[in-house]
Amino acid sequence: DAKTTQPPSMDCAEGRAANLPCNHSTISGNEYVYWYRQIHSQGPQYIIHGLKNNETNEMASLIITEDRKSSTLILPHATLRDTAVYYCIVRVLNNAGKSTFGDGTTLTVKP
Amino acid sequence: DTAVSQTPKYLVTQMGNDKSIKCEQNLGHDTMYWYKQDSKKFLKIMFSYNNKELIINETVPNRFSPKSPDKAHLNLHINSLELGDSAVYFCASSISGGSSTDTQYFGPGTRLTVL
Repeated sequence: DAKTTQPPSMDCAEGRAANLPCNHSTISGNEYVYWYRQIHSQGPQYIIHGLKNNETNEMASLIITEDRKSSTLILPHATLRDTAVYYCIVRVLNNAGKSTFGDGTTLTVKP
Repeated sequence: DTAVSQTPKYLVTQMGNDKSIKCEQNLGHDTMYWYKQDSKKFLKIMFSYNNKELIINETVPNRFSPKSPDKAHLNLHINSLELGDSAVYFCASSISGGSSTDTQYFGPGTRLTVL
């Protein structure tokens, strides 16, 4: 699986958009970009995933650059409950769902 | 309805003891996993089962033995517990382990403390 690089921490004001970057410069053509988050003392929670097109769901938007070497997770209106560690993962097809979680980005949403 | 459940939530035990952690998913998924999250918060996969068959076994001491009685359950038995086994253990499941579009659903975790 491709290695990902994320900033260790970020702050965001409540109600503002939180933009979390991820670099995955060695991503392969068949690897998807997944985002999970882990709120303190809970299990990781799936947020969104994509291959090359931008994606949006009720939780977030995922913007993937044209060369697929980086992506940005956007939480459009961050709330205090979005404070968590956010993990960017890239996964290979047919690898039995093995996800390599790195250090992630600790997002702190402040009032 | 809890999608992926684990019991117990907390487990405190002495070194050398044998203990089990249970996991159940009611999502109808084919694949289940065990992850370990240590004190540095690094989440590392230990095992993966697909339809009761072991498909991933990372470098884990053989004191750890997963058991899958059916595809809805994946239990983790640990023999001769050591201090270094103290961690939070997460169970997860996904529809199919053979596609990268499947997403994993995680349980709430079991915090194991070995004294």
